[in-house]
Amino acid sequence: QKEVEQNSGPLSVPEGAIASLNCTYSDRGSQSFFWYRQYSGKSPELIMFIYSNGDKEDGRFTAQLNKASQYVSLLIRDSQPSDSATYLCAVTGQAGTALIFGKGTTLSVSS
Amino acid sequence: GAGVSQTPSNKVTEKGKYVELRCDPISGHTALYWYRQSLGQGPEFLIYFQGTGAADDSGLPNDRFFAVRPEGSVSTLKIQRTERGDSAVYLCASGEGLSTDTQYFGPGTRLTVL
Repeated sequence: QKEVEQNSGPLSVPEGAIASLNCTYSDRGSQSFFWYRQYSGKSPELIMFIYSNGDKEDGRFTAQLNKASQYVSLLIRDSQPSDSATYLCAVTGQAGTALIFGKGTTLSVSS
Repeated sequence: GAGVSQTPSNKVTEKGKYVELRCDPISGHTALYWYRQSLGQGPEFLIYFQGTGAADDSGLPNDRFFAVRPEGSVSTLKIQRTERGDSAVYLCASGEGLSTDTQYFGPGTRLTVL
């Protein structure tokens, strides 16, 4: 059973702080890794993707991938109240493109 | 350009009825995916189309669920003899069909089976 694990939270941070979201996955053959943001009652919105070990930065967001540890994380710098949402980690299995999602981590940024 | 669209946005039906959910992908995207999401859970994969054919239907829970994409664009997810446990948000996503494909989600259809 291929699994993606996330701490459900809630993770609470003050405005302007760094939020750190973590994810582990069980399938060592996973190739692609994605972070989606989902506001309540809305569909998932792609934030970032990462394919190679290391860090990938996009504005206030940094994705980090460590395939040896089967670990992927998302850092949100200068957190804003508008960042309050559920963050879903997703990976593709060895076969290709079907995404396997974690349950999501709820982030709350207080002003 | 236009994103993924899904209709209806909400569907309420009675146990045992048949329902059809429609997905219109981003123009030019050859890959189309169906997922369903229950409250407090991440989306769960159902089926993946590459063009007109179902490349992976391993996520369909049973033979009451069926999906088609006859012309390689719009897809319909069909659920026969609905059960209360089928209640969920059904999400459609599309992508370019690459192995490292990013998937873009539609707004979803909220299905409620009474």
